[in-house]
Amino acid sequence: QSALTQPASVSGSPGQSITISCTGTSSDVGGYNLVSWYQQHPGKVPKLIIYEVTKRPSGVSNRFSGSKSANTASLTISGLQAEDEADYYCSSYVDSSTLVFGGGTKLTVL
Amino acid sequence: QAQLVQSGPDVKKPGASVKVSCEASGYSFTDYSIHWVRQAPGHGLEWMGWINLSNGYTRFSQNFQGRVTLTRDTSASTAYMELNNLGSADTAVYYCARPVPGDWYFDLWGRGTLVTVSS
Repeated sequence: QSALTQPASVSGSPGQSITISCTGTSSDVGGYNLVSWYQQHPGKVPKLIIYEVTKRPSGVSNRFSGSKSANTASLTISGLQAEDEADYYCSSYVDSSTLVFGGGTKLTVL
Repeated sequence: QAQLVQSGPDVKKPGASVKVSCEASGYSFTDYSIHWVRQAPGHGLEWMGWINLSNGYTRFSQNFQGRVTLTRDTSASTAYMELNNLGSADTAVYYCARPVPGDWYFDLWGRGTLVTVSS
């Protein structure tokens, strides 16, 4: 069961926008609108920031948005802030009731 | 409020087994499932499997098939993950996580249990 493909790192300056991609297959990302994104600060528990591709949980900033095209999902963070510096993980439902995470992306705010 | 409380850190020798517990409170235990996710030091999240807390049905990642057992004690509102034949690569923080019923995203996580495998 291969992990979804994410860039190892991305960076941006405060106020800019960045996008993190998450590429899978038609058996996971492309086959279902069940992609989620998590933010994890060092030593902390992952925090849900996007679910079902585009939805934001209550309390999550609207600077975070999600989208999907074919087998690739994307997380966009607009108006970058220092507190956004963290690791980001995508996950997707997979055929036959299983789940897979992406390898993770380290976001650096310059 | 709803929370998942995991057992404390553990140290095991190679070849041994470890059993991690995840006690739920603040919500109806059997209305949800529990998933297990691990994270090796400096590495990403890895999904291990899940258990339906109502009927005990389980599904696993192929990466752990045959080596992991998921169980639950409904009277104690506790889920368990047992991993066998431990190797150094199994050194990781093990999380339990609760998805929204019928969905595949996690709105509640335990704080994690560090399992260290060392001779």
